[in-house]
Amino acid sequence: GQNIDQPTEMTATEGAIVQINCTYQTSGFNGLFWYQQHAGEAPTFLSYNVLDGLEEKGRFSSFLSRSKGYSYLLLKELQMKDSASYLCAVRDRGGGGNKLTFGTGTQLKVEL
Amino acid sequence: DAGVIQSPRHEVTEMGQEVTLRCKPISGHNSLFWYRQTMMRGLELLIYFNNNVPIDDSGMPEDRFSAKMPNASFSTLKIQPSEPRDSAVYFCASTPRTSGRASTDTQYFGPGTRLTVL
Repeated sequence: GQNIDQPTEMTATEGAIVQINCTYQTSGFNGLFWYQQHAGEAPTFLSYNVLDGLEEKGRFSSFLSRSKGYSYLLLKELQMKDSASYLCAVRDRGGGGNKLTFGTGTQLKVEL
Repeated sequence: DAGVIQSPRHEVTEMGQEVTLRCKPISGHNSLFWYRQTMMRGLELLIYFNNNVPIDDSGMPEDRFSAKMPNASFSTLKIQPSEPRDSAVYFCASTPRTSGRASTDTQYFGPGTRLTVL
């Protein structure tokens, strides 16, 4: 099985930088995903890491350390529209190799 | 391009009734996933299909739940009989399964069906 842990809530100021952490335990790691979900909407893909290191995509970056079972999502130059839930998801090699297990999400509130 | 299509968007029913949720994946995608999302438990995988074949249904809560994928462009999730604890948002997602090498295999989610069982 898998265990994924991320903070329930975070608050940050517009224009600032925020880091959302995710720790996981899995028997057959095959990639880590971050999704963004606005209230009442579907999750949308943000980033993917399978090797250690930092992946940068505009204002968003994601980091992975497989040995530590740890990832973070870094959001720069925060905007009000970034207020949303951020979901960490781990893919497992078993069961066809395409199964994602999601964390419960971190609700980010961006304030003026 | 049309994304994943789900219907209905909202469903309100009474306990004991049969509920059928429908999903049309993105054309050309050959993996399809059904999820359930609640405040208490977050986003949970119920079942997923590769090339119309169920691969993992370990998340299906009990025998009241069943899912089918008769062809590459259509899937259903059925709850019979429904219970108030089944109230949740049900998402369908699809992914363009590649040749088998490690890849992004990003899952694209539909808008969801909000189910309320009274």
